[in-house]
Amino acid sequence: LAKTTQPISMDSYEGQEVNITCSHNNIATNDYITWYQQFPSQGPRFIIQGYKTKVTNEVASLFIPADRKSSTLSLPRVSLSDTAVYYCLVCDTGGFKTIFGAGTRLFVKA
Amino acid sequence: DSGVTQTPKHLITATGQRVTLRCSPRSGDLSVYWYQQSLDQGLQFLIQYYNGEERAKGNILERFSAQQFPDLHSELNLSSLELGDSALYFCASSLTVEGTGVTETQYFGPGTRLLVL
Repeated sequence: LAKTTQPISMDSYEGQEVNITCSHNNIATNDYITWYQQFPSQGPRFIIQGYKTKVTNEVASLFIPADRKSSTLSLPRVSLSDTAVYYCLVCDTGGFKTIFGAGTRLFVKA
Repeated sequence: DSGVTQTPKHLITATGQRVTLRCSPRSGDLSVYWYQQSLDQGLQFLIQYYNGEERAKGNILERFSAQQFPDLHSELNLSSLELGDSALYFCASSLTVEGTGVTETQYFGPGTRLLVL
């Protein structure tokens, strides 16, 4: 299983764009990259998923370079409510034995 | 609301006791996952079931066991409880379609907070 490495924490201000990068050097061919968001005492919530290049949805964008050894979650114009822990996961199509890393604790200030 | 339900929401018990946590997956989801999250810690994968059968095992203690029933709900049994077992226990479900290359988004329940005194 590919291990992921993310910054432990990040600070930002309201209205700024936040980019969180995740390293996954030994990602396998069948692996997808998925990001989850978790608020205190709640279950993680799916944000976005991708395999290569760029994926965008209504809440975030995911940039994946050609070698797929890293990925960047981009949150446009964050607000106070985006303060949470963000997890990057790499898992195969079966989703077996999902490994969550320590995550990145994002703190958005007014 | 993810569509995954977990009961009970809170559980307080004593060391040495045994408890059962219950999870109902989203309608149509065949896979159920169990995770443990201790205070300010990351999520530790415990075990996964797919359509009633154990599919993958993580860092699950021998004192812990799980099963998935024909109606696809799952139970996590924790026995001989210790203080260190106090944690949030999350259940997640996903639609696993074998052989199609469909990758799985996991939908998490609200969790059960277990406090062992």
